[in-house]
Amino acid sequence: AQSVSQHNHHVILSEAASLELGCNYSYGGTVNLFWYVQYPGQHLQLLLKYFSGDPLVKGIKGFEAEFIKSKFSFNLRKPSVQWSDTAEYFCAVNPDSNYQLIWGAGTKLIIKP
Amino acid sequence: DADVTQTPRNRITKTGKRIMLECSQTKGHDRMYWYRQDPGLGLRLIYYSFDVKDINKGEISDGYSVSRQAQAKFSLSLESAIPNQTALYFCATSDREGQETQYFGPGTRLLVL
Repeated sequence: AQSVSQHNHHVILSEAASLELGCNYSYGGTVNLFWYVQYPGQHLQLLLKYFSGDPLVKGIKGFEAEFIKSKFSFNLRKPSVQWSDTAEYFCAVNPDSNYQLIWGAGTKLIIKP
Repeated sequence: DADVTQTPRNRITKTGKRIMLECSQTKGHDRMYWYRQDPGLGLRLIYYSFDVKDINKGEISDGYSVSRQAQAKFSLSLESAIPNQTALYFCATSDREGQETQYFGPGTRLLVL
């Protein structure tokens, strides 16, 4: 079955630290890849997405993600986090451009001021 | 961003009661989705609809039903609520152009006693 794994359920960092959140998926075909963010008390928002082309994708608020096809990974990065980045981050995969998004379990990120 | 709205935002109900959660969108999208979010499980798809006459079960449809009253409206019903349906429920939309970027409502927090 297709699945998406997010390696860390909770991450705690200090401000200005660098961030990398892991995402791996199990599907051998063409995929569209997404990272969504859910700030406390708010709805899910699209952070960035990859459909094709340059595997390094830049999103909002200084986030980026790199698609490594050989590793089935789409890790999210930010060079220097801020307290306002405290949120839950979800990776999602859309296999073969069909209707369905397969979601990871989410990673809760807490940034200490 | 109020393109996707959900009512109510919070609801407490008792076991056995029938309740309805409503979703409206002004994005003009054909596709609409209902998800539930549980801690540590990410989002799971309950039902989805590609247009008014096309409604499909998702991963966890048992105990739920839906109605697509119009392109802009998609309601989720719990016919006889049970405590393990306590969760955060999200409505989402996407357009027919595919690539499945989904846009989410603010969520309905449901507690079944």
